[in-house]
Amino acid sequence: NAGVMQNPRHLVRRRGQEARLRCSPMKGHSHVYWYRQLPEEGLKFMVYLQKENIIDESGMPKERFSAEFPKEGPSILRIQQVVRGDSAAYFCASSPIPTLSTDTQYFGPGTRLTVL
Amino acid sequence: AQSVTQLDSHVSVSEGTPVLLRCNYSSSYSPSLFWYVQHPNKGLQLLLKYTSAATLVKGINGFEAEFKKSETSFHLTKPSAHMSDAAEYFCVVSGFDKLIFGTGTRLQVFP
Repeated sequence: NAGVMQNPRHLVRRRGQEARLRCSPMKGHSHVYWYRQLPEEGLKFMVYLQKENIIDESGMPKERFSAEFPKEGPSILRIQQVVRGDSAAYFCASSPIPTLSTDTQYFGPGTRLTVL
Repeated sequence: AQSVTQLDSHVSVSEGTPVLLRCNYSSSYSPSLFWYVQHPNKGLQLLLKYTSAATLVKGINGFEAEFKKSETSFHLTKPSAHMSDAAEYFCVVSGFDKLIFGTGTRLQVFP
């Protein structure tokens, strides 16, 4: 059973470009979470999705950021018009049932975004 | 609201000596607590988790943690450090639908 997959692993963008980060959850997992880790900091929750639904986006910046988890295919975190402050590691996690039930979230290797 | 505080941003030990990484939590209900490890430029790996069963939790690579409700603590320990333990360690509490991370403790192990 493959783990959580994220691609690309490294992404370089110039200011003003768009960044698309992909996350394929573990097989059988229908809950996806995105976290951001700024340099020298811990991970901060961004958004929680189930298939075709955003459940909690309380950690998402109000502008330029969006996320989706379509019925088919990976979850996508999209950042429009990137700025230098978006440079960070973005981690995706998945679980078979909601974290509320104390089940473990399994993390992908992360995508390291660098904005020039 | 749930939160965790990691009391030390950096801990340095010699190889073969004990490791203690401290974590205090705050939770409005019985929490689920985790320790994750992150090696440089790598993803996160679950070391262990507490989910209201035994208060002493054993994890991978010889790590264990004890849940102490009276002290609201969940400290991570290991009897004998190995060079490969050098990494960033995160104490984590489960929120309503998300994980809430501490700021991390960087463990250095000297030969």
